Amino acid sequence: GAGVSQTPSNKVTEKGKYVELRCDPISGHTALYWYRQSLGQGPEFLIYFQGTGAADDSGLPNDRFFAVRPEGSVSTLKIQRTERGDSAVYLCASSLTGGQGDTQYFGPGTRLTVL
Amino acid sequence: DQQVKQNSPSLSVQEGRISILNCDYTNSMFDYFLWYKKYPAEGPTFLISISSIKDKNEDGRFTVFLNKSAKHLSLHIVPSQPGDSAVYFCAASEVTPLVFGKGTRLSVIA
Repeated sequence: GAGVSQTPSNKVTEKGKYVELRCDPISGHTALYWYRQSLGQGPEFLIYFQGTGAADDSGLPNDRFFAVRPEGSVSTLKIQRTERGDSAVYLCASSLTGGQGDTQYFGPGTRLTVL
Repeated sequence: DQQVKQNSPSLSVQEGRISILNCDYTNSMFDYFLWYKKYPAEGPTFLISISSIKDKNEDGRFTVFLNKSAKHLSLHIVPSQPGDSAVYFCAASEVTPLVFGKGTRLSVIA
């Protein structure tokens, strides 16, 4: 498909475990974003990549959260020592250039449940 | 403190009538505004946007109005169709990351 894909679609883990969430952006898009959507809330910004580098990581809640995009395409969001409060839908989006007027296209999200 | 507010969690409208969804923002540095639509188990889908240099933008049945002095924008859908039933998110940006409201669930009744 031509859209943004995310795997897995659902992830259930236990408190204290480590998880990795993957995002495949639209081919050719240089900008990639991670957002988190908790129940009853809108998506909340986590981190933004321009190419391989994190251009803005001001939304990461603490140092348990880390994201990489080593080849400027696929990105992985990594969460260490998961807590119940990390339960949410994690959304990935990509855009062609990362400019303000550039449309961000979202994937379907990964629903993370921490027991 | 929420910078983008959608004060109506839900809205029901008869098919064929106008739907008006409202959004308020507090950060005067925001200069680009968007509406996204979200169906269950899908990611948000871009609907329409407006730059702060404009006060209106139209795309088919969808029109967004921006009132900068009131820090208010609205999305008008006319005529409303059952397929428009979804959660609508207002978003704003100063640079690139988007700041979203909590969403309004629109139900269009046939």
